[in-house]
Amino acid sequence: KAGVTQTPRYLIKTRGQQVTLSCSPISGHRSVSWYQQTPGQGLQFLFEYFSETQRNKGNFPGRFSGRQFSNSRSEMNVSTLELGDSALYLCASSQTRGVNEQFFGPGTRLTVL
Amino acid sequence: KQEVTQIPAALSVPEGENLVLNCSFTDSAIYNLQWFRQDPGKGLTSLLLIQSSQREQTSGRLNASLDKSSGRSTLYIAASQPGDSATYLCAVNRGSGGGADGLTFGKGTHLIIQP
Repeated sequence: KAGVTQTPRYLIKTRGQQVTLSCSPISGHRSVSWYQQTPGQGLQFLFEYFSETQRNKGNFPGRFSGRQFSNSRSEMNVSTLELGDSALYLCASSQTRGVNEQFFGPGTRLTVL
Repeated sequence: KQEVTQIPAALSVPEGENLVLNCSFTDSAIYNLQWFRQDPGKGLTSLLLIQSSQREQTSGRLNASLDKSSGRSTLYIAASQPGDSATYLCAVNRGSGGGADGLTFGKGTHLIIQP
C-alpha cells in the first residue's frame, strides 16, 4: 500500500506570494492533518480535515487555510508569505479521527526569500 | 495547555548498547502516545503507538512504556545499531470531545550510535 505523498517536495517563494501544498493520504484513510516544523518551534499542529470539513485548528493566523476533497486528498494554502513561514510542512493521515495511528508523508520544504 | 518534554536532547553511545529515551507530558488526559523517528530532511516514521489503556508496546528491538498517571513514557532500544541514528520524537494525542485535537510533540532526542 502506498504511503502518504506530498507535492511538491521543495518550493522557493518570495515574501507576499501565496503557495498551495498538496497531500494524498494512504488509501482508505479519511483524516488528514497538517503540521509545521521549524528548528525553533519544533512540530506544531496546523489543522485537521475529515469528511471534507475542518475539524480542528491550531494556533496559526488566518493566512493558513486548507481544504479536503471527496477522495480525502487535501491541500493547504498560505497567503501573503512571510520569512517566518519557511519550514517543513508535514501531512499526516489516519483511518479516522481520534485514536488512530498517524502516518506522515515526506514533507514539503518551503523557503521564503 | 499540553506540554511534552523529551530528555535528553541529544545522546551519543557506542554500537551495541541498550538505551532509554524519556518523554514526559503535563496533562494525563490523553488518548494515546506515539513514538516516531525522523531522519535528516525526511518525514516522520511511526515506531510505536500506545493507547491510553495500555502499559507498553513492543516492536522488534523497541519497547515503549506508558505511565499515564505520572505523565511519562520511555522508549527502550536494545542492542543499538548505527542505523538507529536519528531524531526520536514523542507525541501525545489529547483528543477533544471524542475527536482528535492534533498531536503535541516534544522537541525530540537526537541519537547518534557510534560504529
